[in-house]
Amino acid sequence: DGGITQSPKYLFRKEGQNVTLSCEQNLNHDAMYWYRQDPGQGLRLIYYSQIVNDFQKGDIAEGYSVSREKKESFPLTVTSAQKNPTAFYLCASTSVGSTGELFFGEGSRLTVL
Amino acid sequence: KQEVTQIPAALSVPEGENLVLNCSFTDSAIYNLQWFRQDPGKGLTSLLLIQSSQREQTSGRLNASLDKSSGRSTLYIAASQPGDSATYLCAAPISSGSARQLTFGSGTQLTVLP
Repeated sequence: DGGITQSPKYLFRKEGQNVTLSCEQNLNHDAMYWYRQDPGQGLRLIYYSQIVNDFQKGDIAEGYSVSREKKESFPLTVTSAQKNPTAFYLCASTSVGSTGELFFGEGSRLTVL
Repeated sequence: KQEVTQIPAALSVPEGENLVLNCSFTDSAIYNLQWFRQDPGKGLTSLLLIQSSQREQTSGRLNASLDKSSGRSTLYIAASQPGDSATYLCAAPISSGSARQLTFGSGTQLTVLP
């Protein structure tokens, strides 16, 4: 089945540690996105990538880093510089030039202990 | 900058009622408008996508309309069921540049009581 797979579903981190969230899609989509969701708030864009080896900062990129070495993969690293990393992280993708419909993974919940 | 607002923030209705969820946006230069459903602790599921040239889209008991001139979209749910209980979000990407960035509303949390 085609879709977007995020892992791990739950992740616990100690303060000062970097963690990497995985996002893999087999939809042959060009563009991939990372969003952060906090309780009672809408989704906020962290980073996005429209083609391999290229990505742009979103509204809240500070303390995060990404890479796009393969079309299918867009991992997100939450660094120790991120002041409040506890949140629900959502990866999404869409095909550039199509209807623009956005598809999401199941999310990863990060908790800092 | 695009701003998207959803009213009400929460809604509770008895089973069988027809209901309307509202979404308003400030920048009418949208590429499309998409409605999503989110269950607790889950990702977003796409419900309906309305292209900027369209006025409405229908899928089963769901109907979404789009009025770009007034900056509004509505999601109509007919004959609501307890299984419709979830948070509904709308998102509107603006057509500036080559990046298709979506701005999301905060969502309407719907509870359908049996």
